Amino acid sequence: GAVVSQHPSRVICKSGTSVKIECRSLDFQATTMFWYRQFPKQSLMLMATSNEGSKATYEQGVEKDKFLINHASLTLSTLTVTSAHPEDSSFYICSASYRDMGYNEQFFGPGTRLTVL
Amino acid sequence: AQSVTQLGSHVSVSEGALVLLRCNYSSSVPPYLFWYVQYPNQGLQLLLKYTTGATLVKGINGFEAEFKKSETSFHLTKPSAHMSDAAEYFCAVTDIQGAQKLVFGQGTRLTINP
Repeated sequence: GAVVSQHPSRVICKSGTSVKIECRSLDFQATTMFWYRQFPKQSLMLMATSNEGSKATYEQGVEKDKFLINHASLTLSTLTVTSAHPEDSSFYICSASYRDMGYNEQFFGPGTRLTVL
Repeated sequence: AQSVTQLGSHVSVSEGALVLLRCNYSSSVPPYLFWYVQYPNQGLQLLLKYTTGATLVKGINGFEAEFKKSETSFHLTKPSAHMSDAAEYFCAVTDIQGAQKLVFGQGTRLTINP
């Protein structure tokens, strides 16, 4: 149980285009979804937290207009990288959580490798 | 604010040897602590977690960790390393209040020598 998928797993795009990444909780309803960014050989950096039906809460320094997050249902959240540039190339990981015993355990997706040419 | 420090960005051990990955945390509230493993180009897999109760926590793949409040530590150990243990390991902390965001350490790359 508690499986989270991401699509696509890998995407290459041209500079200036927009890319959408989907995150789905396959066998549970996620009260909250998180989006992380990971640079090579570095740790995960939280970009934003989203709850179903409400606006995402972005971490300091993350551009809201650059990284659009939509959490339309309890099983789906999307991250759109708008007008992508080479510096946006990174590994993007989502996680989904539900409240259990007072704690929201996070389950992680497999990640999406974005390369912007 | 919470933070995590993993001592040693790279640890190398021989197959069959003890694995010890160090994690120290800082938290103003009782923490929940986690160890995750990441294989190349993959997401994170939970190895084990400490929430409440017993301070010695056993996880998957033979790993265990002990929560030591007095030392603010949560070191990860495995008695005998296997080649398949080679991966990146992340320690993380969260609180049980608010948004319950995870704060990750910088990671430790574990290499197993044959």
